[in-house]
Amino acid sequence: NAGVTQTPKFRVLKTGQSMTLLCAQDMNHEYMYWYRQDPGMGLRLIHYSVGEGTTAKGEVPDGYNVSRLKKQNFLLGLESAAPSQTSVYFCASSSSTSGMWETQYFGPGTRLLVL
Amino acid sequence: AQSVTQPDIHITVSEGASLELRCNYSYGATPYLFWYVQSPGQGLQLLLKYFSGDTLVQGIKGFEAEFKRSQSSFNLRKPSVHWSDAAEYFCAVGVPNAGNMLTFGGGTRLMVKP
Repeated sequence: NAGVTQTPKFRVLKTGQSMTLLCAQDMNHEYMYWYRQDPGMGLRLIHYSVGEGTTAKGEVPDGYNVSRLKKQNFLLGLESAAPSQTSVYFCASSSSTSGMWETQYFGPGTRLLVL
Repeated sequence: AQSVTQPDIHITVSEGASLELRCNYSYGATPYLFWYVQSPGQGLQLLLKYFSGDTLVQGIKGFEAEFKRSQSSFNLRKPSVHWSDAAEYFCAVGVPNAGNMLTFGGGTRLMVKP
């Protein structure tokens, strides 16, 4: 049981390049999330998904796209990377129980540097 | 919209000393409140959570937090800090029935002196 895994761990991009970050969870969770972490700003929600085939915008969605084609995977795409997207990206997942809050489990993070 | 403020960016305490990390939230309804810890180079681990009931909640690693509605606070405490507690701590408020989204504070980095 690996929990939440993220690929890659570290990436350097040039401005204008594209890339996809992969998040995978093996806990059969319905909900998945992408956050970015910047110094002094905590974690900010980029996009999230409440189930396979569904996605929704979070607090800072601009410049990112996501897809949830399979329940266990949540992909975060950068179509044209900008230096402002230099950050550490965290994926999280949680189960969903009607009327109850379920704990979010976090992956180890992906460090992205955009030059 | 909800928000979380952690007034202290950095805190240094001596090993064995007590610790209190401050967290203030803004939310229009009864909040779901959380404390997470992030060790260097790691993801976030849940320390404790408050949903309702007893306002003093116990968590892992000897941490506790107290919910004070009148002060909109959810401060984290530990009676005796260990060197391994050095990490970054995040307070968060949860929005139920909306994908269980979390809004995080800016974090407090804890350093422990020997």
